Amino acid sequence: KAGVTQTPRYLIKTRGQQVTLSCSPISGHRSVSWYQQTPGQGLQFLFEYFSETQRNKGNFPGRFSGRQFSNSRSEMNVSTLELGDSALYLCASTITPGGPYEQYFGPGTRLTVT
Amino acid sequence: DQQVKQNSPSLSVQEGRISILNCDYTNSMFDYFLWYKKYPAEGPTFLISISSIKDKNEDGRFTVFLNKSAKHLSLHIVPSQPGDSAVYFCAASAKTGANNLFFGTGTRLTVIP
Repeated sequence: KAGVTQTPRYLIKTRGQQVTLSCSPISGHRSVSWYQQTPGQGLQFLFEYFSETQRNKGNFPGRFSGRQFSNSRSEMNVSTLELGDSALYLCASTITPGGPYEQYFGPGTRLTVT
Repeated sequence: DQQVKQNSPSLSVQEGRISILNCDYTNSMFDYFLWYKKYPAEGPTFLISISSIKDKNEDGRFTVFLNKSAKHLSLHIVPSQPGDSAVYFCAASAKTGANNLFFGTGTRLTVIP
């Protein structure tokens, strides 16, 4: 079974721009969560989607948004990029919400904001 | 506010010996705990988990122990192998039914051949 895939793997953007990252969950997994990993803050939860609806949201500004499609694929968008948004963005999938269930992570997208 | 803490940023162990990685948490609502292993440029890989109704879970060389009264868990790796060298993250989820995980800051394990 293929794992979680994320595209692109690396991205360089300029302050003020916006960016869209993509995640395809493991086949059969319907819940997708996004995390931000930075050296200072570690891994922090951004949001979770299930059935094309955001179920849960972490403590991030409204510039961070996401969506999920009917095939469970998900995208996250960051608008008006700031230097502090430079991070590894990880997507994780699990079978369904209401677990607990193990979450399986993709390789991440490394975003650099200059 | 870091609700899951891994106070040892790094640990070095000889091959064949036991590695013990520790994790503390503050939120009494946490009821499910997981350990992930992470290599550079890769996403975290799930290793082992434990529910709060148990105090031990074993999977091959990996055993996780949970002490609820102390709000402490540990991961034991026996015997340690050079391929175990990676960053290990402890994570927890709460009884809300939400899937969001709270992660520790990680411990870098180096297994010396």
